[in-house]
Amino acid sequence: KAGVTQTPRYLIKTRGQQVTLSCSPISGHRSVSWYQQTPGQGLQFLFEYFSETQRNKGNFPGRFSGRQFSNSRSEMNVSTLELGDSALYLCASRQTGASFSNYGYTFGSGTRLTVV
Amino acid sequence: DAKTTQPPSMDCAEGRAANLPCNHSTISGNEYVYWYRQIHSQGPQYIIHGLKNNETNEMASLIITEDRKSSTLILPHATLRDTAVYYCIVRVSNGANNLFFGTGTRLTVIP
Repeated sequence: KAGVTQTPRYLIKTRGQQVTLSCSPISGHRSVSWYQQTPGQGLQFLFEYFSETQRNKGNFPGRFSGRQFSNSRSEMNVSTLELGDSALYLCASRQTGASFSNYGYTFGSGTRLTVV
Repeated sequence: DAKTTQPPSMDCAEGRAANLPCNHSTISGNEYVYWYRQIHSQGPQYIIHGLKNNETNEMASLIITEDRKSSTLILPHATLRDTAVYYCIVRVSNGANNLFFGTGTRLTVIP
């Protein structure tokens, strides 16, 4: 079955602009998480969505937001872009339910955002 | 979730077993040990996880010490394609879904 799909793959934006990234989880996966990866900070958790509700949030400013649709697809938005927002943004999905509580996450290939 | 400690880098000869250690001395009784790896410019890939028993799958084996304070990921016959950063993570079952990746171990498989 298809993996986690993230679009676009690459993106270049100007400082001050806003950007929306998209993630389609594996079919049947209802939990979607977002991570930011930079050379200096490594992989950092942004937020997690399940059943269209944000369940957990990392330590990022309010400029970073997200949402999840009824088909489990998720988007994340970054407003007022800063140079430091340049990063690889990764989406991960997971099956949920007691039978799958210990299952691993499946990550997409990410969207590489460059802010100039 | 407990933190983990891993060596920053390791080398392994192609065809030999790669043994990647992880220290998680503050692990709680209900925390699982997960291993992921990230090949350059790709998303992390789930490898294996365990609670207290040793585990094996098609990719690797996971050996957890009896006191659960450390574990070792074993790639039985390393190939060049196993060159990646390997992350050891501990997480509570049904806990918050925010994985703490740490800095991982950069494994280089040498021909």
